[in-house]
Amino acid sequence: GQNIDQPTEMTATEGAIVQINCTYQTSGFNGLFWYQQHAGEAPTFLSYNVLDGLEEKGRFSSFLSRSKGYSYLLLKELQMKDSASYLCAVIDSNYQLIWGAGTKLIIKP
Amino acid sequence: ETGVTQTPRHLVMGMTNKKSLKCEQHLGHNAMYWYKQSAKKPLELMFVYSLEERVENNSVPSRFSPECPNSSHLFLHLHTLQPEDSALYLCASSPGGEGSGANVLTFGAGSRLTVL
Repeated sequence: GQNIDQPTEMTATEGAIVQINCTYQTSGFNGLFWYQQHAGEAPTFLSYNVLDGLEEKGRFSSFLSRSKGYSYLLLKELQMKDSASYLCAVIDSNYQLIWGAGTKLIIKP
Repeated sequence: ETGVTQTPRHLVMGMTNKKSLKCEQHLGHNAMYWYKQSAKKPLELMFVYSLEERVENNSVPSRFSPECPNSSHLFLHLHTLQPEDSALYLCASSPGGEGSGANVLTFGAGSRLTVL
């Protein structure tokens, strides 16, 4: 079967750096997404990786290794507003979007 | 506001009721989706419409009935639901077509459904 694994919950301190990992086993690969979802709000698009390497976007970066079936989302200079759930999703060979259960990130002062 | 609007935001219904969820997008997107989100579970794709035609129905019970009257509007009609159907129902849209942005989803804030 197809599977996306990410930690259920993480805690980090304001101003610090946190890395949220995502590993996947899917039938084929056509790209990987990260979305952010604040409680009670819509998931919003953060990043899309289709080639290996690091994509940087301000305080957020996303990394992909296709050979390892692995991605991470790196958040720097954490702010309280970064407290949210972070969803990893992979497009498989049939262009179906396979979702992880999300990682709830708690930022403490 | 993301460009995808869902109403109502909260809905409580009995198992014998009939209600509908509404979704509207003004992004010019060609594809629209219904997802079910339950706590600590991955998003479950329910229905996909592309250019107003249903292209996916992931073995969803018939008590959920989608309707897409045009490319900007999507409904989910609910009838004789069960308590386990209580969840957040998310609508999303995407541009469709080809290219790296084709599959980027824009979500609505969701309709929180409680079935008593």
